[in-house]
Amino acid sequence: NAGVMQNPRHLVRRRGQEARLRCSPMKGHSHVYWYRQLPEEGLKFMVYLQKENIIDESGMPKERFSAEFPKEGPSILRIQQVVRGDSAAYFCASSPPAGGLGGVTEAFFGQGTRLTVV
Amino acid sequence: AQSVTQLGSHVSVSEGALVLLRCNYSSSVPPYLFWYVQYPNQGLQLLLKYTTGATLVKGINGFEAEFKKSETSFHLTKPSAHMSDAAEYFCAVSERIIFGKGTRLHILP
Repeated sequence: NAGVMQNPRHLVRRRGQEARLRCSPMKGHSHVYWYRQLPEEGLKFMVYLQKENIIDESGMPKERFSAEFPKEGPSILRIQQVVRGDSAAYFCASSPPAGGLGGVTEAFFGQGTRLTVV
Repeated sequence: AQSVTQLGSHVSVSEGALVLLRCNYSSSVPPYLFWYVQYPNQGLQLLLKYTTGATLVKGINGFEAEFKKSETSFHLTKPSAHMSDAAEYFCAVSERIIFGKGTRLHILP
C-alpha cells in the first residue's frame, strides 16, 4: 500500500506563471488536506476536501488559489499568477473518513512539494 | 475554533537528558490530539495520538504524551534523548488537524 504521493517534489515557476501541485492519497482514503509550510512558521491549514467536495477552505487565500479532488485522479492545488511570497513547501495529507465526534483519527503525509518562485 | 500553542520554537537538551516539548490546545469539542515529527526535507510522521480512553499515550521511538483536560495540555516527553531525535515536532488537534508552529529539538552531545 503506497503512501501519500505528491508530485513534483520540487517546482520552479517564474512570477506570473501557474503552479499545479498533485496529491494522490493512500488507497481507501477519501479525505485530503493541504498545508503550506514557511520557515519558522509551522504548518498552516489551507483546505480540506472529500472527493468532489470542498469541506473547509477557510485557510485558502481568497485569490489565485484553488483546490479540487475529483472523483477520479489526484487532488490538485492550483496557484495562478504565482508571486515570490508563494514560495514554500506544500504538504498534502490523507485520511480515512472521520470517526466519532473528535474528528479524524490519523492523517498520513506526503513528502511535500517545494515551490520556488523566481 | 480549534488552535494549538507550542511553547518554545527551539529546545536544546543534552544526549541522555529528559525531553519535554510543551503543547496547549483549545477546542470546543472533545479533541483528538496528535504529535508529528518532521525530519529535514521529509513529510510528517505520526509519533502518537490521543483519541479517547487512557490519557497517557505511548508512541514510537520511546516518546509518550499525557492528555490533561484540566490544563488543556498534551506535552510530549522522552526519558532519555538520543541524537537521532533531533527534528521538528508538531502538535496538532482535530478535526481539521490544526497544527502548532512546531518546536525544533536540538540534541547536544
